Amino acid sequence: DAKTTQPPSMDCAEGRAANLPCNHSTISGNEYVYWYRQIHSQGPQYIIHGLKNNETNEMASLIITEDRKSSTLILPHATLRDTAVYYCIVRRDSNYQLIWGAGTKLIIKP
Amino acid sequence: NAGVTQTPKFRILKIGQSMTLQCTQDMNHNYMYWYRQDPGMGLKLIYYSVGAGITDKGEVPNGYNVSRSTTEDFPLRLELAAPSQTSVYFCASREVSNQPQHFGDGTRLSIL
Repeated sequence: DAKTTQPPSMDCAEGRAANLPCNHSTISGNEYVYWYRQIHSQGPQYIIHGLKNNETNEMASLIITEDRKSSTLILPHATLRDTAVYYCIVRRDSNYQLIWGAGTKLIIKP
Repeated sequence: NAGVTQTPKFRILKIGQSMTLQCTQDMNHNYMYWYRQDPGMGLKLIYYSVGAGITDKGEVPNGYNVSRSTTEDFPLRLELAAPSQTSVYFCASREVSNQPQHFGDGTRLSIL
């Protein structure tokens, strides 16, 4: 599985868009990008995933660069409840394992 | 809708004791996983299962055992608890390939 690199921490003002970057320069063509978050050491919560195209759901948008070497998770209108650790994970479809890094601690400020 | 349920939520063990962490899911998922998470770190895979009767080792299996006799249940066994096994343990399940994993709320285990 490709390794991912994320900033250790970020701040964002409440109501603004939070943009969380992730580098995965060694990604292979059949590897998906997954985003999860973890609030207060609860169980990780799935956010979104994608392969090549940009994706959007009720929680967030995922923007993947054309060369697929990086991606950005966008929380369009951040609230205080979005304060969490966000994990970017790259995984092959046939691989059972998710390789977790340390993630980005996102703090939403009032 | 219960999803993935883990019991107990908290437990303190003495060195050398044994215990079983329970995990059950009501989504009829074939794939199930056990992770541990140490403070400030990401999750590490202990064991996983692709269906009833089939299990395999993950990244950090030493000191643990699992079984999968039914689709719903995937218990994790610690035979001789050691201080290094103090951690938060998460169980997860997923439906099929490419679908996300669903996690339980975790078991916080301290070994003294």
